[in-house]
Amino acid sequence: DTAVSQTPKYLVTQMGNDKSIKCEQNLGHDTMYWYKQDSKKFLKIMFSYNNKELIINETVPNRFSPKSPDKAHLNLHINSLELGDSAVYFCASSQVKSSGGDTQYFGPGTRLTVL
Amino acid sequence: AQSVSQHNHHVILSEAASLELGCNYSYGGTVNLFWYVQYPGQHLQLLLKYFSGDPLVKGIKGFEAEFIKSKFSFNLRKPSVQWSDTAEYFCAVNTGGFKTIFGAGTRLFVKA
Repeated sequence: DTAVSQTPKYLVTQMGNDKSIKCEQNLGHDTMYWYKQDSKKFLKIMFSYNNKELIINETVPNRFSPKSPDKAHLNLHINSLELGDSAVYFCASSQVKSSGGDTQYFGPGTRLTVL
Repeated sequence: AQSVSQHNHHVILSEAASLELGCNYSYGGTVNLFWYVQYPGQHLQLLLKYFSGDPLVKGIKGFEAEFIKSKFSFNLRKPSVQWSDTAEYFCAVNTGGFKTIFGAGTRLFVKA
């Protein structure tokens, strides 16, 4: 019954490695997001997809590449991991109406630690 | 550029004290406003939201917020906090598109 699920929950890896985080939502929403939350809890949007199309691409290094195979899934692939990539990554989904964005439903987060 | 400011970064209260967390945004048009809560070790979840209508909105767990358009504010309140309200609180603003901007968060610690 989980609305937004992410895997894995924890990811510990060495610098320079490539890793992926998967996200799935079963709410029927057409918009999905990736956020990065740093150690000070600041939440920064990275990407947003609407019906599999990239809508928001903030100033994120090219090493980060999102992929949306369908509107229920939004995966995040990170190449050449760096120490500064250590953070908690949250996936979220929402329904964006003509009146604007509605409630975002967040996944449980993936805590990425780069050694 | 649009922005959201949360004035208090850390708040410490005793149980039964009243709470008010400030939130101001910079945008002159129509907004959708949200407060989210993140309990320790958990993901963000919605506390309450305002789209239109009565500017005083009530959310879960006894929280409420008031939208004051002239002050570009959406402050969160609770008359009597409990230890279980210890969490990080985020104000968020959507200006009509796909992007919702989050404030930096306020960490609330309630002493039992």
